Amino acid sequence: DAGITQSPRHKVTETGTPVTLRCHQTENHRYMYWYRQDPGHGLRLIHYSYGVKDTDKGEVSDGYSVSRSKTEDFLLTLESATSSQTSVYFCAISESSRGNTEAFFGQGTRLTVV
Amino acid sequence: KNEVEQSPQNLTAQEGEFITINCSYSVGISALHWLQQHPGGGIVSLFMLSSGKKKHGRLIATINIQEKHSSLHITASHPRDSAVYICAVSSSGNQFYFGTGTSLTVIP
Repeated sequence: DAGITQSPRHKVTETGTPVTLRCHQTENHRYMYWYRQDPGHGLRLIHYSYGVKDTDKGEVSDGYSVSRSKTEDFLLTLESATSSQTSVYFCAISESSRGNTEAFFGQGTRLTVV
Repeated sequence: KNEVEQSPQNLTAQEGEFITINCSYSVGISALHWLQQHPGGGIVSLFMLSSGKKKHGRLIATINIQEKHSSLHITASHPRDSAVYICAVSSSGNQFYFGTGTSLTVIP
C-alpha cells in the first residue's frame, strides 16, 4: 500500500471554527490532491499541488485553502467551517501529471460541522 | 452533466454469482481506473487500463475505447467483495473524473 496518512480520521467541529486536515505521504510523489466525497456525487477536487509551494484550485475550492511547505505534507484548511462542508475528505497522490499515472488514496477524514 | 456514468447504482447478489458493473464516459481519456471503497474505509485502486482487459484474481476489467465503455466483472462473488466500486477516468494534466459509484452487497 502507498504510504499516505490522513489525520484526523474523524472530527466534529462547530460552525465558524477553522479546521485543518493533514495529508502525509512517504512516497515522495510530486502531485497531491484533496477531494471531497458526498452522496450522489463523484469525488470532487478541492485543491491540488504540483510541488512544494505550488498549488491550484479545483472545482469546489470556495471556503478552502491549502498549503504545501514540504513534499510530504499537504494541508487543507477550512477557514470558517459551515454545515455544507460536512463531508468525507480524501487525499490522493500521484507521481506525475501524465494521464496514465495511477493515483493512490488515503483512508479519508470524516468531518462533521454542527 | 456527468462525465462518467456507472450502472447499476446498487447491486445485491448471492454469494457465488457473477457480477458486472458498467461504466460509460463522455470525455477523451488516457486511462480508466476501477477503485474499491469498503464501508468506512479508504479507496483502493483495483485496475488502471487504457485498452483491452486486465485480470487480478476473481476480478476482470475490460475497456472498449471506441464505445467509451468499461466493465468490471467479479467471478464467484463473496461477501468480502461487498463495497462501493468507483469508475474514474483520467486525462493529461492528471485531470480525474469520477463516477458516483456502485454499491455492491453480496449475501452469503
